[in-house]
Amino acid sequence: EDKVVQSPLSLVVHEGDTVTLNCSYEVTNFRSLLWYKQEKKAPTFLFMLTSSGIEKKSGRLSSILDKKELSSILNITATQTGDSAIYLCAGAGGTSYGKLTFGQGTILTVHP
Amino acid sequence: NAGVTQTPKFRVLKTGQSMTLLCAQDMNHEYMYWYRQDPGMGLRLIHYSVGEGTTAKGEVPDGYNVSRLKKQNFLLGLESAAPSQTSVYFCASRLAGANEQFFGPGTRLTVL
Repeated sequence: EDKVVQSPLSLVVHEGDTVTLNCSYEVTNFRSLLWYKQEKKAPTFLFMLTSSGIEKKSGRLSSILDKKELSSILNITATQTGDSAIYLCAGAGGTSYGKLTFGQGTILTVHP
Repeated sequence: NAGVTQTPKFRVLKTGQSMTLLCAQDMNHEYMYWYRQDPGMGLRLIHYSVGEGTTAKGEVPDGYNVSRLKKQNFLLGLESAAPSQTSVYFCASRLAGANEQFFGPGTRLTVL
């Protein structure tokens, strides 16, 4: 059975801090790992990572996958209150229907 | 483009009542999914569809039924609601060949 585990489950920081969120995966016929940000409503896509190991960046956010360790990290530098959200990672396997296996999510709270 | 939309946004049911949640997407995506999100458990797949007229069970299908009569719509039905079905329900869609799923805004369902 596919499994994705995120840590920590919750994190409280102050504006300006740098945070690292972790995601480990066990996914049959692994294809990619996706990161989503969920504020009050729908999860919105951040990054997709593959076993190529190429780092993805968008502004203050960056992410990379370690295929040997079967894990990924999401870094957020100079955090802002607007970064407060649930961060979800999901593993995509080789099923015919594009199954995503989600982790529990990390709740990030950024205080002013 | 509206993307993925869901109706209703909120609903309160009594045990034993039935209801249907509607998901619509205007991106011409082949694949559609229904998830439920519960605290500490991430997103779990209820049912999915790989195309018009086809549906299949996901991880937690018991107590739910689905239909996909039109490519753009995916309906989730609860025939006899139970308190254990209190959750936030998300619909998602995906283009064939892509890994990224696009999510709707969610429906918060409470079963008393």
